[in-house]
Amino acid sequence: ETGVTQTPRHLVMGMTNKKSLKCEQHLGHNAMYWYKQSAKKPLELMFVYNFKEQTENNSVPSRFSPECPNSSHLFLHLHTLQPEDSALYLCASSQDPRGDSPLHFGNGTRLTVT
Amino acid sequence: GENVEQHPSTLSVQEGDSAVIKCTYSDSASNYFPWYKQELGKGPQLIIDIRSNVGEKKDQRIAVTLNKTAKHFSLHITETQPEDSAVYFCAASIKGGNQFYFGTGTSLTVIP
Repeated sequence: ETGVTQTPRHLVMGMTNKKSLKCEQHLGHNAMYWYKQSAKKPLELMFVYNFKEQTENNSVPSRFSPECPNSSHLFLHLHTLQPEDSALYLCASSQDPRGDSPLHFGNGTRLTVT
Repeated sequence: GENVEQHPSTLSVQEGDSAVIKCTYSDSASNYFPWYKQELGKGPQLIIDIRSNVGEKKDQRIAVTLNKTAKHFSLHITETQPEDSAVYFCAASIKGGNQFYFGTGTSLTVIP
């Protein structure tokens, strides 16, 4: 298997639920990212991990909790979300986190908060 | 921080015609400019990129131009085909920084 794989593809959850998004990259990259994609808005960077260490938290609410157990796996734990958190959540990886190597994206998890 | 603006937001062209999407950026320290194509139900995929030491780059029907003085870069697609229909995003990043700044996307429709 190659590329960046995200599961699940679709998720519907109530505001009191707890769920997790999973991402796995098979590219041997050193950096992994979570992005939020909402309609009519630029992609919003949420978190950056470089060699398993979090290097960026872009003022994301604490109801989103990332976890990076190794350089190939990334999780986003969700709890007590709000309806405005409904969006496409994209995972990406890159060889170098210093901004001059391209991002490789997964196909995303479409999250709906009811 | 960096601000990337992208135009137009929607673009329709006849099959075989050319399509041009333009982006501007604000931070002169930006030095890497990738373009992504996002098809329905998929994540963005890199289609071409350019670095600040190059003015133009071409890959078959796709080309990107960069004007550092004016701080703008453009994507050119020639001989468009229906499978080119997608949303295209430009982005900019600063060497040594740890994030990309994306445009708001252009929805391209190629009419057969």
